[in-house]
Amino acid sequence: DIQMTQSPSSLPASVGDRVTITCRASQGINNNLAWFQQKPGKAPKSLIFVASSLQSGVPSRFSGSGFGTDFTLTISSLQPEDFATYYCQQYNNYPFTFGPGTKVDIK
Amino acid sequence: VQLVESGGGLVQPGGSLRLSCEASGFTLNAYWMGWVRQAPGKGLEWVANINEDGSKNNYLDSVKGRFTISRDNAKNSLHLQMNSLRAEDTAVYYCTRGYGIALWGQGTLVTVSS
Repeated sequence: DIQMTQSPSSLPASVGDRVTITCRASQGINNNLAWFQQKPGKAPKSLIFVASSLQSGVPSRFSGSGFGTDFTLTISSLQPEDFATYYCQQYNNYPFTFGPGTKVDIK
Repeated sequence: VQLVESGGGLVQPGGSLRLSCEASGFTLNAYWMGWVRQAPGKGLEWVANINEDGSKNNYLDSVKGRFTISRDNAKNSLHLQMNSLRAEDTAVYYCTRGYGIALWGQGTLVTVSS
């Protein structure tokens, strides 16, 4: 199975900060990577697919990049509603696997 | 456009449950569909998916032979038949749309306990 790692696991930040989360796959996954946001007690929300394409309705302050094994999610200017846990997921090989999550909380 | 799960609940180890997911606002037969679960306080875990016409499906190893994913495109619904349930299957189960997931349901809680 492909192992997904994320760093950092926790990210204290302030409103207006530029935030970057890294996701690494244990083997190459082309660009078959998605990012999700989850708030406590809520279902995940899809943010990005094929590494860099924004889902419909997702604010442009979110962006994704990467190919192969190394990927990043960037929030250009953190907003109050962005405090949440973020997960990456590879869908290049079965079983599809998620990263352990990065919690973005208030500094 | 939404997905609404149902069928969760409390079941004893070894028991069975059938989860359903009703799709609205779009035509189910245009999409891969799947299930993702989240154990209490834990991360997300992909469980299974099925292609547009139901001819292909894939499963997490730990559920193979116990869970069966199916779909009824005429009724715009997705199902997950779960047999031989174990304590470690306890989780919120989310219905998802897309090979790369674009849409999530609100989830239904499955608790396996005696």
